[in-house]
Amino acid sequence: KAGVTQTPRYLIKTRGQQVTLSCSPISGHRSVSWYQQTPGQGLQFLFEYFSETQRNKGNFPGRFSGRQFSNSRSEMNVSTLELGDSALYLCASSLDPSNTEAFFGQGTRLTVV
Amino acid sequence: GQSLEQPSEVTAVEGAIVQINCTYQTSGFYGLSWYQQHDGGAPTFLSYNGLDGLEETGRFSSFLSRSDSYGYLLLQELQMKDSASYFCAVRDGGGGFKTIFGAGTRLFVKA
Repeated sequence: KAGVTQTPRYLIKTRGQQVTLSCSPISGHRSVSWYQQTPGQGLQFLFEYFSETQRNKGNFPGRFSGRQFSNSRSEMNVSTLELGDSALYLCASSLDPSNTEAFFGQGTRLTVV
Repeated sequence: GQSLEQPSEVTAVEGAIVQINCTYQTSGFYGLSWYQQHDGGAPTFLSYNGLDGLEETGRFSSFLSRSDSYGYLLLQELQMKDSASYFCAVRDGGGGFKTIFGAGTRLFVKA
């Protein structure tokens, strides 16, 4: 079956703009998490969604938001982009929150200029 | 809050055994996972420990001691293709589930 799909794969935006990233989880998976990855910082937790509800949120400013749709697809939005938002944004899906194995997409590489 | 500590880099030779340690601090520990990530690739799941002890999956094993807030990943019969970054990750069930990752250990396998 298809894996986790993230679109777009690459994105270049200008400071001050906003961006929306999309994640389609593996079929049947209802839990979706988002991470920001920058060199040397590992994966920083952004948020986790299950059944269209945000279950948890990391320590990121309010400019970072997300949502999950009834088909489990998820989007995250970053408004008023800053240079420091340049990163690889990864989405991971799992069957449900208690499931311990997460499957990652290839990520969206966002560059803010 | 939550925090994880793991070495930033480890170097080993092909055929050898290497151990990557991870210590963690969290309020609602649910389990410890390990992920592998090659350059330019997505992290892939390697193993999970919810209870104390050793879990073995082929050349990879993972250990957990909840009383010591400590775990490790053991890679045996190292191959060049094992050169990658390895992340330990804590599944935290306090205040709603979330998975917190360490900063990663870069493994270099030399011939």
